[in-house]
Amino acid sequence: TQLLEQSPQFLSIQEGENLTVYCNSSSVFSSLQWYRQEPGEGPVLLVTVVTGGEVKKLKRLTFQFGDARKDSSLHITAAQPGDTGLYLCAGGEGYQKVTFGTGTKLQVIP
Amino acid sequence: GAVVSQHPSRVICKSGTSVKIECRSLDFQATTMFWYRQFPKKSLMLMATSNEGSKATYEQGVEKDKFLINHASLTLSTLTVTSAHPEDSSFYICSARGTSGANVLTFGAGSRLTVL
Repeated sequence: TQLLEQSPQFLSIQEGENLTVYCNSSSVFSSLQWYRQEPGEGPVLLVTVVTGGEVKKLKRLTFQFGDARKDSSLHITAAQPGDTGLYLCAGGEGYQKVTFGTGTKLQVIP
Repeated sequence: GAVVSQHPSRVICKSGTSVKIECRSLDFQATTMFWYRQFPKKSLMLMATSNEGSKATYEQGVEKDKFLINHASLTLSTLTVTSAHPEDSSFYICSARGTSGANVLTFGAGSRLTVL
């Protein structure tokens, strides 16, 4: 069973601060996605990374895929209250099922 | 973009009754759909993989007779919680993978089931 551990589990920060969320596994993934989920809603895809070492930017969000394709990080610059939510990484292996990380609950306080 | 519709969004039922949740891909054909269960403030737990025209593949520990999955067409998969009990109360979410082959999932908005 492929496991994806996310850290931290919970994060409460002030508006304007920076933060990094980590997603680690002992398994290699062909692709890795990051999702954000708000209460009572389904996860919404933020980004997909497929190449080891790849870095993608989405406004204030920077995503990196580890060189060995076993880990990933999400960095948010100048966090805003609208960034509040549950962040989930998910690893895919070919066309098989996608395994979700343990989740990071982020709260940005105005 | 790809849209997945899930219905109902909320359902309350009495213990012992069965509840059906639908997952539809609105603008694409979904060869594979996935059903997840999510507990409060927790991540998604994969319950089963639903493949069009064949039997669903259930994850270890998930009772296939309890959670019936049918994927009769390329745009519809259903999850039926049979003889529901209060411990089945949860947030159920479906996702679909299109026929393009990309390993990207589109999620429904989820269904909140409360069993009294």
